[in-house]
Amino acid sequence: GAGVSQTPSNKVTEKGKYVELRCDPISGHTALYWYRQSLGQGPEFLIYFQGTGAADDSGLPNDRFFAVRPEGSVSTLKIQRTERGDSAVYLCASSLAGGEDTQYFGPGTRLTVL
Amino acid sequence: GDSVTQMEGPVTLSEEAFLTINCTYTATGYPSLFWYVQYPGEGLQLLLKATKADDKGSNKGFEATYRKETTSFHLEKGSVQVSDSAVYFCALIRNTGGFKTIFGAGTRLFVKA
Repeated sequence: GAGVSQTPSNKVTEKGKYVELRCDPISGHTALYWYRQSLGQGPEFLIYFQGTGAADDSGLPNDRFFAVRPEGSVSTLKIQRTERGDSAVYLCASSLAGGEDTQYFGPGTRLTVL
Repeated sequence: GDSVTQMEGPVTLSEEAFLTINCTYTATGYPSLFWYVQYPGEGLQLLLKATKADDKGSNKGFEATYRKETTSFHLEKGSVQVSDSAVYFCALIRNTGGFKTIFGAGTRLFVKA
């Protein structure tokens, strides 16, 4: 079956602009995670959804970052007033029910802020 | 706060050599522990996991044992292959007070024929 998909695969934007990154989880997975990965580092947790609600958003770095999952499937990560330091690969993962269930990762969106 | 520390890479081994990649953690409570692998050009995928002390996770010839007394989850394989060349990430999930997943920085493994 289809895995986790993310669009776009690459996004180049200018400092100060707004961007949206999309994640399509595996069908039927109630848990969805967003991570950010900088070169040479492990994924950094941003937010975890259980269904439509954010169960843990403690990793969002500041109020420029926001994520939604209005119908409990597709999620959008929104970044306002982008900064050069936001450049990274943004990863999405989903799991069947959260907790210690296996997370399945998407290929990521590479964001470059010029 | 919670953290995961992995041995720095890259690790370079000859085919059929024994592999150990060290991982230690700091966490409140009793986290679940994971090893993820990222092969060249591919996304992250789960390699193995252990959810309580003394559990051993295993997959594809890799093993790791959850050692609470030493807060460690070292990855081992008795005989590596060229196809094992990848980046390996140790991770934990807290099971209380949120479900934040914390990853180590990753260890790159090169296996030579």
